[in-house]
Order: sequence, then structure tokens, then C-alpha cells
Amino acid sequence: EAGVAQSPRYKIIEKRQSVAFWCNPISGHATLYWYQQILGQGPKLLIQFQNNGVVDDSQLPKDRFSAERLKGVDSTLKIQPAKLEDSAVYLCASSLRGLDGREQYFGPGTRLTVT
Amino acid sequence: EDKVVQSPLSLVVHEGDTVTLNCSYEVTNFRSLLWYKQEKKAPTFLFMLTSSGIEKKSGRLSSILDKKELFSILNITATQTGDSAVYLCALPGDSGNTPLVFGKGTRLSVIA
Repeated sequence: EAGVAQSPRYKIIEKRQSVAFWCNPISGHATLYWYQQILGQGPKLLIQFQNNGVVDDSQLPKDRFSAERLKGVDSTLKIQPAKLEDSAVYLCASSLRGLDGREQYFGPGTRLTVT
Repeated sequence: EDKVVQSPLSLVVHEGDTVTLNCSYEVTNFRSLLWYKQEKKAPTFLFMLTSSGIEKKSGRLSSILDKKELFSILNITATQTGDSAVYLCALPGDSGNTPLVFGKGTRLSVIA
């Protein structure tokens, strides 16, 4: 079974620039999550999709972050404009249904450095 | 607000030692507790615990949950250098959906 795919793996940008990350979940997984993991911290949820609908985006900084999952499969996360504090690893995860706390499968992540 | 606190934050042991990692939590509506291992980037799933007192075991790793005292432990026996990683504890949040709330993790370093 193929895992969660993410690209790019690394990205370095200057502050105020824009960046986009892509995620393709495990086939058949209805629920997709984007997490932000700052160095030394556990992952923090940014947004959760169930199929192509947003279930939880309460912790997404909507003034600069946006995400979509238009066809209910792959997803993109965008930051515009980036700030220094956005430097982090951005993890995408998926789960089969996401309704009962079962295990989520994580992608390799994208390490973003904002200079 | 849901809280997940892990201890210790970091630990250095020698190969062959046994380690115990701790996770305490406060959630309004407990459903499950999950342990992940994070070596480079992607956390990989280890265990999901839902019932008190029932040990989950996989090779040299085991975990148990105490729902009365609101904590879980992850044990690793006969540690190897390949066990070096950050171990994350997570619980589904209190909202009706299930985004995970993670602790800060325990960074385990196993030296030869």
C-alpha cells in the first residue's frame, strides 16, 4: 500500500514570499489533515478535511494560510505571505474515516525555512 | 483546553537499557490515546489504547493506559540504537471530530 505522499520535501523562501505544499493521501482515505510541527514541539493541527469539506480549521491562521481539497483526494496548503515564524515541518496525514480516533498515517513532511 | 504532557522531554541511555516514557493527559471526552515514533520527519504509528490495564505489546515495545489516573506509559526493553527517536503521545481532541492533540514528545537517544 502506497503511503501518504508530500512535495516538496524541503523549501527555503524569504519572508513575504508565497509557498505551496502538496499532499496525496492513502487511496481511499476520506480524512486528510495538515499539521505544523515547529522544532521541539509536537505536531499541531492546522486543518482537517473530510472528503472535500473542511471539518476543522480553527487553528489555521486564515489571514495567510489557505488549504483546499477540491476533488476530495489530494490537497494543497498555501502560505501567503510567509513569516519567519512559519519555519516548521508541515505534515500531511490521512485516515480511513477519521471519526473514531483511529491511527492516522503521516507523510514525510515538508521542511520550510523562511529567511 | 485539552492537554497532553510527556516526560521526560529527553533521555539518553545505553544499549540494552530499559526505558519508560510517560504521557499524562486532560481531555473532557476520552476516546483513545495513541503513541507514535518520529525518527526523521513522519511520525509512525505504534499503539492505540482505549481500555485501562490492557497492555499492548509489539516486540520490545509495550504500552499501558490508566484511565483513572489519566496517564499512559511506553516501555522499551533491551534498547537498541535504532530506537533513537522522538516518541509522541497524542489524543483525539474534544471536538466532535478527531484531530490529534500531541504532546511535545520525548527525545530518546540510545548510545552504543
